[in-house]
Formats: sequence, structure tokens, C-alpha cells
Amino acid sequence: EVQLVESGGGLVQPGGSLRLSCAASGFTFSIYWMAWVRQAPGKGLEWVANINQHGNEKYYVDSVKGRFTISRDNARNSLYLQINSLRAEDTAVYYCARDPGIGNDCWGQGTLVTVSS
Amino acid sequence: QAGLTQPPSVSKGLRQTATLTCTGDSDNVGNQGAAWLQQHQGHPPRLLSYRNNNRPSGISERVSAFRSGNTASLTITGLQPEDEADYYCSAWDSSLSAWVFGGGTKLTVL
Repeated sequence: EVQLVESGGGLVQPGGSLRLSCAASGFTFSIYWMAWVRQAPGKGLEWVANINQHGNEKYYVDSVKGRFTISRDNARNSLYLQINSLRAEDTAVYYCARDPGIGNDCWGQGTLVTVSS
Repeated sequence: QAGLTQPPSVSKGLRQTATLTCTGDSDNVGNQGAAWLQQHQGHPPRLLSYRNNNRPSGISERVSAFRSGNTASLTITGLQPEDEADYYCSAWDSSLSAWVFGGGTKLTVL
């Protein structure tokens, strides 16, 4: 069974940092692009970033460029999102998703990041 | 980054047919087509359709998708109570080098 499990969310002050993790199982992690997608409370989905199989090609939504960094460790079947200089508008559930290039076909349950003083 | 355009809400009766639309441009929907996702309240999204009319395994045959130019459509026939959910379209935008989502359509089954 394909499974994605996010962790690392929490309450953080504006300007703070967090590192989100996603543990993948049930499929060959190293052959897939992977992505982070977020959803602010009561709002729609917003794609955040994706990364290729080798970790050397990455894309980001404009609003997070320079603040967020996506990375992966294929040996650990894990995806990461380092989020710095957090703003109130970054408050959201962050989903890890598989990205085979046709749409996100597998999703985790999400981890909540709340930015507040 | 510009997103895709979806109507905020659609309401249809039980066993009726609902058609949801998603409008983009030639760099996204008009290029490689759209994916459609369903999200029930409190749950992660689920992929319903990709590259216009391909269904992942386990998705009902009542779901079909279509693209005409820069507009993608999702049709659900024989509406059931469990079809009541939020529906999102997404597409890779080749000019932005980014995935873009629509704002979502809330489908109400009366």
C-alpha cells in the first residue's frame, strides 16, 4: 500500500523556521518526482514546490522562493521542506504528494503549520 | 502566479449529472490538459482524472473528463450523496514552470 506520512508541523512565531518531513512507503520512491502542496484554513489547494527523482531539479511557487527549500533522501525514502522566514500567510496544512507528472496521484494526511505570535 | 478558473459552487439533484469546468490558457490546460481531484471535508485530496480523461484504478466509471481548447470539464453522472465534495483542477504551466490549481468548486448534491 502506498503511504505518505508527514511530520514536523506546529506553532511557530513569525520569522521562525520549521523542517517538514514526509516518509514514503509502498512504492519505489527514488523513481518519482515528489511535491509539497498546502491548503490554508478554509481555502483551496496551492502547489508549493516539486523535486525530481535525483534532487537536482526543483521548482517553487513565487511566494516561497528564497524562503522554502525542498529536498529528498532516496536512501531514507524521505522528502523534506525547510521553511524559513515564516509569515502568517504560510499558515496551512502542508501535504506531501507523489508527482508522476500527470497530477498528484497519492497524498499524505498533511501536517499543520501555524504561524502566530 | 495566475491560477485556473473554476466556478465556486454547483448544485444538482440526486441521480442527476453535474459538469464542472476549469478554464486556463494555452500554457497549462490547453497544453497538457488538466487533472481533477476530489476532496471531502477533513480529508486529503484524491486524484479522479488525469490528462483529460484517464482514471486511476478504483475511480468510478461515473466520472469522465474532457478538454476543449483551454477549458477542461469533469462530468459526474448519477450523482450520489458521497459525491458531495470540493473539486479541484490542476495543470502544469509551462511558462511558469509550476503547477497551478483552480480555486475549487463545491459540489452540493440536493
